[in-house]
Amino acid sequence: QKEVEQNSGPLSVPEGAIASLNCTYSDRGSQSFFWYRQYSGKSPELIMFIYSNGDKEDGRFTAQLNKASQYVSLLIRDSQPSDSATYLCAVNGSNFNKFYFGSGTKLNVKP
Amino acid sequence: NAGVTQTPKFRILKIGQSMTLQCTQDMNHNYMYWYRQDPGMGLKLIYYSVGAGITDKGEVPNGYNVSRSTTEDFPLRLELAAPSQTSVYFCASSKGESYNSPLHFGNGTRLTVT
Repeated sequence: QKEVEQNSGPLSVPEGAIASLNCTYSDRGSQSFFWYRQYSGKSPELIMFIYSNGDKEDGRFTAQLNKASQYVSLLIRDSQPSDSATYLCAVNGSNFNKFYFGSGTKLNVKP
Repeated sequence: NAGVTQTPKFRILKIGQSMTLQCTQDMNHNYMYWYRQDPGMGLKLIYYSVGAGITDKGEVPNGYNVSRSTTEDFPLRLELAAPSQTSVYFCASSKGESYNSPLHFGNGTRLTVT
């Protein structure tokens, strides 16, 4: 069983729409959850992280965490073509030394 | 601050050759990591270190070795390169010691073994 699972996509949304990216994880002891954006040929860059149940907002981005369902999501409001990238979900396990990554969801925002 | 610096950016190796991927960070982070990323896949942890002199295996350590003699440097050694090691390698660091310390990535090394 994979530690972190994401739908590989591609997820296509029109410009200005809300993009919803989802991630599930298997380790109930996981404490922190991170979303990274990765453009093609580039390294991952941190968008935001969350560690408490509920929502956390940062500009156009909202991370949602439900530990009971072992589910974390990222909403991108007013999607822009520049948001087109692969979004990686990462989970800091019960041993917080290690970060486990999903395989990423590719997002295409169409003008 | 330069952050996490990796060298080289690109490298082509022949089967059986060896090389060292260099990684250095100037953020005084205790934790350092090596990941590999195959096309269309997520990041797989090769080795990590929680401080100078301390290293541990990740998910895919076979064929690799690491050392951590200083806080700043965390080189990854490939011995007897194989085509299966063709990948993009990312070094990352974290302040560690809490659940709220994200990973900071270097720009990656693209390695081809032929």
